[in-house]
Amino acid sequence: DVQMTQSPASLSASMGDRVTITCRASEGVDRWLAWYQHKPGEAPKLLIYKASILESGVPSRFSGTVSGTEFTLTITSLQPGDFATYYCQQYIRFPWTFGQGTQVETK
Amino acid sequence: QVHLEQSEPEVKPPGASVKVSCKASGYTFTDYGVSWVRQAPGQGPEWMAWITTHNGDTNYARKFRGRVIVTVEASTSTVYLEVLSLKFDDTATYFCARDQSMVRGLWDYWGRGTLVTVSS
Repeated sequence: DVQMTQSPASLSASMGDRVTITCRASEGVDRWLAWYQHKPGEAPKLLIYKASILESGVPSRFSGTVSGTEFTLTITSLQPGDFATYYCQQYIRFPWTFGQGTQVETK
Repeated sequence: QVHLEQSEPEVKPPGASVKVSCKASGYTFTDYGVSWVRQAPGQGPEWMAWITTHNGDTNYARKFRGRVIVTVEASTSTVYLEVLSLKFDDTATYFCARDQSMVRGLWDYWGRGTLVTVSS
């Protein structure tokens, strides 16, 4: 199975901060990687797919990049609704696998 | 608008089975596959199974093969997940999620989850 290692597990940030979350795949997944945002009690939300394509309706302060097997989600200028847990997920091969998540908390 | 409505929370004893439903609305149901993903307390999400809604073909994660059954009822736009022989570590929130267009394993709409608690 493809292991997705996400870091950090949690971070504290303030409104307006720039936040970076990293996800490393144990083997090549090309660009078949997605990022999701999840808040307690809500449905998870797709933010980015194919490593860097913004899902429709997602604010442009979210962006994704890739370098080899390392993927990065960046949130520029953190907004109140961005405090949540973020997950990466590969969808190139079965079983589709997720990172352990990064909880973004208010400082 | 697309909506995935999941069934209510369940509490089951070890060894029992549970069946969770996911009723879709707001789109042509048979045009999109659906997956089930679970998340145990304090852990990351885990993909369990995928089904094609137009013909019922399935793909299960190796870990769940033989203990999980996913079915579809196209007449009611509903997908079901049945977990057999429940164990304590099956306690989790179970989510259904719709494929994004023709891309299997990429999910653009999710249900809010069904909490299944295994307790004696």
